[in-house]
Amino acid sequence: ELKVEQNPLFLSMQEGKNYTIYCNYSTTSDRLYWYRQDPGKSLESLFVLLSNGAVKQEGRLMASLDTKARLSTLHITAAVHDLSATYFCAVDMEYGNKLVFGAGTILRVKS
Amino acid sequence: NAGVMQNPRHLVRRRGQEARLRCSPMKGHSHVYWYRQLPEEGLKFMVYLQKENIIDESGMPKERFSAEFPKEGPSILRIQQVVRGDSAAYFCASSPTRYNEQFFGPGTRLTVL
Repeated sequence: ELKVEQNPLFLSMQEGKNYTIYCNYSTTSDRLYWYRQDPGKSLESLFVLLSNGAVKQEGRLMASLDTKARLSTLHITAAVHDLSATYFCAVDMEYGNKLVFGAGTILRVKS
Repeated sequence: NAGVMQNPRHLVRRRGQEARLRCSPMKGHSHVYWYRQLPEEGLKFMVYLQKENIIDESGMPKERFSAEFPKEGPSILRIQQVVRGDSAAYFCASSPTRYNEQFFGPGTRLTVL
């Protein structure tokens, strides 16, 4: 059974600092997604990572994928308060059949 | 181009009642997925449907839960005889084919009193 583990589960950061969220998964996968969720809201797609070595950047967020290590990272650069949200990684195990989500990382950026 | 639509957005039921959650996929999407998010947890897959067919229901509880996606109309997730443990946010996602990215709706937040 595919397991997806995120860490940390809770992250309190000061504005302007850098940090990384990690996402490990237990079996081979076709693709990996990162989502953002604000309280009471739906999921906003941030990144889709399709292949080993993939790196994507949008603003202060950068995501990477290492399929050999079964690891994805979401790096936050110079955090700002607006980045406060819950971040999920999700793995597409059976090529479009279903997504398996990590537990989520609650990010709080303090000014 | 409207996104995935779900209704109602909030639903309150008493224990023992039935809950019906509806999902209208994006235009041109014939694949629908249902996920459940319990408080303070990640989303858990429930069921994957294509028009008139259930493709994968491995995440559905064995009793009280059912899903359909008829030829015409929205996909329905039905929960019979609800219990307090059913309180959660239920998200629907859709995709144009099995191999495309899933797009999520706003969710239905079910509260069982």
